[in-house]
Amino acid sequence: GENVEQHPSTLSVQEGDSAVIKCTYSDSASNYFPWYKQELGKRPQLIIDIRSNVGEKKDQRIAVTLNKTAKHFSLHITETQPEDSAVYFCAASLAAAGNKLTFGGGTRVLVKP
Amino acid sequence: GAVVSQHPSRVICKSGTSVKIECRSLDFQATTMFWYRQFPKQSLMLMATSNEGSKATYEQGVEKDKFLINHASLTLSTLTVTSAHPEDSSFYICSATTSGPNTGELFFGEGSRLTVL
Repeated sequence: GENVEQHPSTLSVQEGDSAVIKCTYSDSASNYFPWYKQELGKRPQLIIDIRSNVGEKKDQRIAVTLNKTAKHFSLHITETQPEDSAVYFCAASLAAAGNKLTFGGGTRVLVKP
Repeated sequence: GAVVSQHPSRVICKSGTSVKIECRSLDFQATTMFWYRQFPKQSLMLMATSNEGSKATYEQGVEKDKFLINHASLTLSTLTVTSAHPEDSSFYICSATTSGPNTGELFFGEGSRLTVL
């Protein structure tokens, strides 16, 4: 089955700096790669996603890149703000497998004011 | 976007009792629902996949007789933790997906925090 690795596990950045989180996946057939933000005790919130027919996607301060050949994808947050502090999860799925999402281990991001 | 509601949000029970958690898709028909478990400071681990009208598919290591899943309609799936023990204490989150052009996106419930005393 799919295996998703996520790095780093913790990330501390100064407010205004950029944060980058990287993930690799094992199943080359996976075609959907969402990123979630989770605050303590709450449900994961989808912040951006990318499909395998696209190499990059951007939404304001958030961008995701996908390298299918290398089987890795990354989340980039620019101009970080204290409210960006949370745990971020990457995930991968294959639509043909019923959209079953496999999550990475998570990255705890702390934005210091 | 689509809304998934989960109930109860918190439950405390005694060891040996059973607890039922409900997951409802409020404004769409969920062809598939997933149940995840999340221990403190860990990732979401898929427990099982349920499809309306058929038996759930459990992930390796998840006891199907302990975690009973029923997906009786396209808008409701339930997870029953039978004979709960303290090690079952966790955050249980359901999610639902639909068919269609945006296949892949999951919609999560609010989660249910189970504490077994």
